[in-house]
Amino acid sequence: SQQGEEDPQALSIQEGENATMNCSYKTSINNLQWYRQNSGRGLVHLILIRSNEREKHSGRLRVTLDTSKKSSSLLITASRAADTASYFCATRQGGSEKLVFGKGMKLTVNP
Amino acid sequence: GAGVSQSPSNKVTEKGKDVELRCDPISGHTALYWYRQSLGQGLEFLIYFQGNSAPDKSGLPSDRFSAERTGGSVSTLTIQRTQQEDSAVYLCASSSDPLVRGVDEQFFGPGTRLTVL
Repeated sequence: SQQGEEDPQALSIQEGENATMNCSYKTSINNLQWYRQNSGRGLVHLILIRSNEREKHSGRLRVTLDTSKKSSSLLITASRAADTASYFCATRQGGSEKLVFGKGMKLTVNP
Repeated sequence: GAGVSQSPSNKVTEKGKDVELRCDPISGHTALYWYRQSLGQGLEFLIYFQGNSAPDKSGLPSDRFSAERTGGSVSTLTIQRTQQEDSAVYLCASSSDPLVRGVDEQFFGPGTRLTVL
């Protein structure tokens, strides 16, 4: 079964608005990562947050992690049409060498 | 090249045929992963290679699937006697040793879209 579950499954917003995506997971983790995928092809790493971190920023991205609730959120501020893509969270469990990906969330940013 | 490359980019085959998919990881990356992604779905882990260790094959869906990694670099995923349900995008990723280097980012190739008629 998938470790990460993104919520919502799909989100449509207007350019300039903020987009928030949530990810929940079941077991303890070493870190949580967010990836972006365009057009069903290769994924691109966006940001990684470790289990001892609560918040991280990278450009227009802000990631939070709440290990007590086993959840993370990805916030994209001032969205652009080019942000239209699918976004995946992935978790690495302690001691595991594998990432477990969620099913993804499709974001559409309308110009 | 600078990134992960995969070939072919698209493959159409007939049910029952064997196919080979190739992945060239980033030079120096010791970890290599294969995933499968069906239309509109998440990534399904297939197999993981790390250095000279025995591969983690726990994600392979059946014994029709196998993979090799020669010389710690190029990998080939082979699907024998393909079935229509094997149709998907097959993604390869590589990374530095995740447990040693503390660098956890996976770099993905563009994928091979397999269609089994």
